Amino acid sequence: GQNIDQPTEMTATEGAIVQINCTYQTSGFNGLFWYQQHAGEAPTFLSYNVLDGLEEKGRFSSFLSRSKGYSYLLLKELQMKDSASYLCAVRDPTGGSYIPTFGRGTSLIVHP
Amino acid sequence: DADVTQTPRNRITKTGKRIMLECSQTKGHDRMYWYRQDPGLGLRLIYYSFDVKDINKGEISDGYSVSRQAQAKFSLSLESAIPNQTALYFCASAGGATPDQETQYFGPGTRLLVL
Repeated sequence: GQNIDQPTEMTATEGAIVQINCTYQTSGFNGLFWYQQHAGEAPTFLSYNVLDGLEEKGRFSSFLSRSKGYSYLLLKELQMKDSASYLCAVRDPTGGSYIPTFGRGTSLIVHP
Repeated sequence: DADVTQTPRNRITKTGKRIMLECSQTKGHDRMYWYRQDPGLGLRLIYYSFDVKDINKGEISDGYSVSRQAQAKFSLSLESAIPNQTALYFCASAGGATPDQETQYFGPGTRLLVL
């Protein structure tokens, strides 16, 4: 079975830093993805982690600890346009399909 | 032009009607997916296909069927629509089996209302 947990909603101030957590319990693990989804739009890829550690991409970073079943997405220098839902997805190789399973998403509200 | 397109973008139908949602991608990807998204429930997988001859059920396939007409085209049908199929439907494609290839590219979505 697969269980992926994210906070439902977070708020932060423009210019600040916010960390969105994702914990997972899966039969196996072969990668964790983060997607951004603005209201009414399609999800777009942000990052993926396969090995433990931090992956940095500009203002966005993603961290993974496989032993803890834990990841976080770090957003720095928040901008109003960062208000969106952030989806964590885990690939589980059990059964051979490697299909990512999505968490329910974290709605981030950035206020001035 | 968008890499993954969906038609229609919005659709209103009545209970019991059969409808088809279409998806095309120009990325040359082998893998295609259909998801539905409901408020508070995230993205749930309906069906997926790894190539033209491969069709697999996802988490919530009951009441749906799919057709992979070509590498680039993957359509979703609701055989007899019911109101709880009202949702936002996304098609996605991905290039392959490795983690970087599994990055999914989503279409703009089809908003379906079943009365």
